[in-house]
Amino acid sequence: DSGVTQTPKHLITATGQRVTLRCSPRSGDLSVYWYQQSLDQGLQFLIQYYNGEERAKGNILERFSAQQFPDLHSELNLSSLELGDSALYFCASSVAGGTNEKLFFGSGTQLSVL
Amino acid sequence: GQQLNQSPQSMFIQEGEDVSMNCTSSSIFNTWLWYKQDPGEGPVLLIALYKAGELTSNGRLTAQFGITRKDSFLNISASIPSDVGIYFCAGPLTSGTYKYIFGTGTRLKVLA
Repeated sequence: DSGVTQTPKHLITATGQRVTLRCSPRSGDLSVYWYQQSLDQGLQFLIQYYNGEERAKGNILERFSAQQFPDLHSELNLSSLELGDSALYFCASSVAGGTNEKLFFGSGTQLSVL
Repeated sequence: GQQLNQSPQSMFIQEGEDVSMNCTSSSIFNTWLWYKQDPGEGPVLLIALYKAGELTSNGRLTAQFGITRKDSFLNISASIPSDVGIYFCAGPLTSGTYKYIFGTGTRLKVLA
């Protein structure tokens, strides 16, 4: 158990809908990262937060947004969903969000858009 | 964009054999992380490397930080069936953006 909690584990929805994925980092970690993994693909970096502030942004679609709350949990919002958004979405956390960190991953949310 | 290339893409090996895989980048990395991912699960951190030339072990796994700082290597000795999975390298881009990117992965299959 990495200590990173993601909910829900599975999510099935329809095209055009909006969903929210939730992540609670390990105790003591201030930074949260979101990744997308499509079927049999690598992990694509979406966005990183540190102590409530956005720190780095990857190829995140405009339809997607995220935030980190004062209690350090994070939410990834996906709107106007398309079939191609079906993927595993992972959250990871690290202590300080610098460049010598260890990232610990949650077990992911499997999103299926029908 | 920036990419970490891993080779081989996939490999079949016999139980008990040693395994070697590598990860290369076109730019310098200051940290290398190696992960293993089982189907439908999140990546699990195996080894972290922080200095050029560093050699670090975790049980049967040994990883090295390449001296050029553009590559890293992972070796698994005496493979067992539970070593099956996808192995990813990862590291932060050094452009100051803190983006931790992942390699393309090496899929390992062990024949009993």
